[in-house]
Amino acid sequence: DQQVKQNSPSLSVQEGRISILNCDYTNSMFDYFLWYKKYPAEGPTFLISISSIKDKNEDGRFTVFLNKSAKHLSLHIVPSQPGDSAVYFCAVTGTGTYKYIFGTGTRLKVLA
Amino acid sequence: NAGVTQTPKFRVLKTGQSMTLLCAQDMNHEYMYWYRQDPGMGLRLIHYSVGEGTTAKGEVPDGYNVSRLKKQNFLLGLESAAPSQTSVYFCASRGGGNEQFFGPGTRLTVL
Repeated sequence: DQQVKQNSPSLSVQEGRISILNCDYTNSMFDYFLWYKKYPAEGPTFLISISSIKDKNEDGRFTVFLNKSAKHLSLHIVPSQPGDSAVYFCAVTGTGTYKYIFGTGTRLKVLA
Repeated sequence: NAGVTQTPKFRVLKTGQSMTLLCAQDMNHEYMYWYRQDPGMGLRLIHYSVGEGTTAKGEVPDGYNVSRLKKQNFLLGLESAAPSQTSVYFCASRGGGNEQFFGPGTRLTVL
């Protein structure tokens, strides 16, 4: 049973518009959430994170929102650029555990 | 700094053969991880280590063994490869923060 779900395998967005990627989790014990970006033939790279004591974290064009009651987080990219085209993974972890659980990924394509 | 490196980048094995994947990090990180990535499955944790000389099982440990004899290295072994182990393998390390740093991956095919 998947504890972390990214229900949209793919997403296409026009350059300059907003990209919204979603992630749902099942266990309320998770208290730290991360987004990674992966280009083909490369390893994932860390993008942005948020702890459960916050509901929003911004870093330039990237904003992560956390809704603890819904067990849902989202990544907003504004404005989207062609170089943002990649696979995005959400990951979760909890205090006292060294393990991370990853979602299945969403492939974002930003159209020029 | 090279960050996290993985050796080899590609490998083709026959069923029953053995091999070792090497992960090295130069960031003095305590924690190291081995994941496999399969289509539609995301990244699944195989084994991890919280320090030199320690290892622990992850989500999908069967058919794999690991060793962390030196802090900077984390080895993943396949004793008798099976076609189900065809995958892309990623190593990651983590220091005091929560973000992991990943290597470039090893693409393994088992025939």
